[in-house]
Amino acid sequence: KQEVTQIPAALSVPEGENLVLNCSFTDSAIYNLQWFRQDPGKGLTSLLLIQSSQREQTSGRLNASLDKSSGRSTLYIAASQPGDSATYLCAVPGYSSASKIIFGSGTRLSIRP
Amino acid sequence: DTAVSQTPKYLVTQMGNDKSIKCEQNLGHDTMYWYKQDSKKFLKIMFSYNNKELIINETVPNRFSPKSPDKAHLNLHINSLELGDSAVYFCASSHQGVLAVTDTQYFGPGTRLTVL
Repeated sequence: KQEVTQIPAALSVPEGENLVLNCSFTDSAIYNLQWFRQDPGKGLTSLLLIQSSQREQTSGRLNASLDKSSGRSTLYIAASQPGDSATYLCAVPGYSSASKIIFGSGTRLSIRP
Repeated sequence: DTAVSQTPKYLVTQMGNDKSIKCEQNLGHDTMYWYKQDSKKFLKIMFSYNNKELIINETVPNRFSPKSPDKAHLNLHINSLELGDSAVYFCASSHQGVLAVTDTQYFGPGTRLTVL
């Protein structure tokens, strides 16, 4: 059974700092891994998707890495801004399709001005 | 035994037409969603319904109108289709809803819409 864990559960840093969010999964047989952002009371917005054959993906100030063998992914945020404050979730799909997506518990990020 | 089903799987239509995509879940979940996946595989939420009530309505053109006849169904109707509407549309459901961020969302297989 796939389990996805994110540590820390909450993180508060001053504006401008670079930071890393962690995601670990128990079953390395994944098709891809996604990082999402969720603002309070809102749905999910996909940030980055890494295919199982890739090691990293970059979008602007965000960089996500994937190490399947160790069951880990990290989301690196450079030069953090108050607008980055949100809950960040990683998620992996089920074996054969995206019909079920298993989310991590999320990291609630707060950027202090 | 399909948990979340969508019809049709593929939809090819001309610009200006009106079309609907249907979604049904047999999981007994309270919340259903519509997501749009763009060419870069990014998922963006469009709408969310909880017990037939609209709870999320992102910045989506008025041409898109969701309808939930009961909590097991959430249909998406699109008027006056435009080229930019071409995408894959995913329906999803979860037990509790978007406020429960750890709730597993179950996604349908997607509907690939192509507007010519």
